[in-house]
Parts: sequence; C-alpha cells; structure tokens
Amino acid sequence: KAGVTQTPRYLIKTRGQQVTLSCSPISGHRSVSWYQQTPGQGLQFLFEYFSETQRNKGNFPGRFSGRQFSNSRSEMNVSTLELGDSALYLCASSLEAARATEAFFGQGTRLTVV
Amino acid sequence: KNQVEQSPQSLIILEGKNCTLQCNYTVSPFSNLRWYKQDTGRGPVSLTIMTFSENTKSNGRYTATLDADTKQSSLHITASQLSDSASYICVRGVGENNYGQNFVFGPGTRLSVLP
Repeated sequence: KAGVTQTPRYLIKTRGQQVTLSCSPISGHRSVSWYQQTPGQGLQFLFEYFSETQRNKGNFPGRFSGRQFSNSRSEMNVSTLELGDSALYLCASSLEAARATEAFFGQGTRLTVV
Repeated sequence: KNQVEQSPQSLIILEGKNCTLQCNYTVSPFSNLRWYKQDTGRGPVSLTIMTFSENTKSNGRYTATLDADTKQSSLHITASQLSDSASYICVRGVGENNYGQNFVFGPGTRLSVLP
C-alpha cells in the first residue's frame, strides 16, 4: 500500500509569489491535515480536511488556504509569499477523523522563499 | 507559551543503553497523547498513541507512559540502537468534540546514539 505522497519535494519561490503544494493520502483515508515545520517554531498545525470539508484550522493568516477533492487528495496554497514562509510543509492522512486514529505523514515539501 | 514541553532538549547515549524522554503538557481537555520519531529531513513516524484513559503503551523497544493527573508523559527506549538517533516529538491531539487531527507539537528531544 503506497504511503502519503507529497509533491513537489523541493520548491524555490520568490517573495510575493504564490505556491500550491499537493498531498495524496493513503488509499481509503479521508482525513488530510497540513503542518508547517520550521527550526524556530517547530511543527505547527495549519488545517485539516475531512470529506472535502475543513474540520479544524490552526492560527495562520488567511494567505494559507487549502482544499480537498472528492478523491481525498488535498492541496495547500500560500499566496503573497514571505521569507518567513520558508519551511518544511508536511501533510498527514488518517483513515477517519476520530480522536485516536493513527496519522501517517508524508516526506514533506521543502519550500524556500528568496 | 508552548502547551507541550519536552526535556531534555538533546541527549547523547551509548548504543545498548536505555533512556527516558519527558513530556509535560498543559491545558485540558485533550483527546490523545502521541509520540513520534522524526529522522532528519523526513516526515514523523508514529510510535504510540494513548487516550486519556490509558497509562502505558508499548511498541517494541519503545514504551510510553501517561499520567493524566500530573499531565506528564514519558517515552522509554530500551537497548538503544544507532538507528534510534532522531528527534522524538510529543504531540497532544485535540479536536472539536474529540474528533479531528488537530495536533499541538512539543519542540522535540534530539537523541544521538553513539557506538
């Protein structure tokens, strides 16, 4: 069974641009959540989607948005990129959105904003 | 203030030795307490998941404990191996009505196992 796939693995963007990251969950999983990891702040929750609906949202500005498609694949978009958006962006998928369900992480997309 | 704190920040041990990593969390309620292992440049991998009603969970050489009264958790690694060198992250799971994969992460403990 294939794991969580994130594309692209690496990305370099210029300040002010926008970027779209993709996450394909494990087959059959309906919950996809997104996280930002930086050396200074560690891992922080961005948002979670379940059956195409945003179920939970972290404390990030509106420049960060996401969506989930009917096949459970999810995309995350960051508009008007800032230098501080440089980070490893991770997504995780779960079979359900139940509280103790195991979450499987992808390898992440390393975004560098210059 | 981070709602999940971990200690020590880093730890160096010799191969074959045991070690214990600590996690303190604040703010209730929570739906579950997790430990993840993260190798450099890779996504975290789940080690254990405990609900508030559980006080211990094992996964091979990894054993996690949870004391909901003191809001403390620990991860004990037995007979360490070189491949255990990684960051270990304590995670508090929260979510509306106990559902959802909304996590609050600790800063992690960087473990180095030397031969």
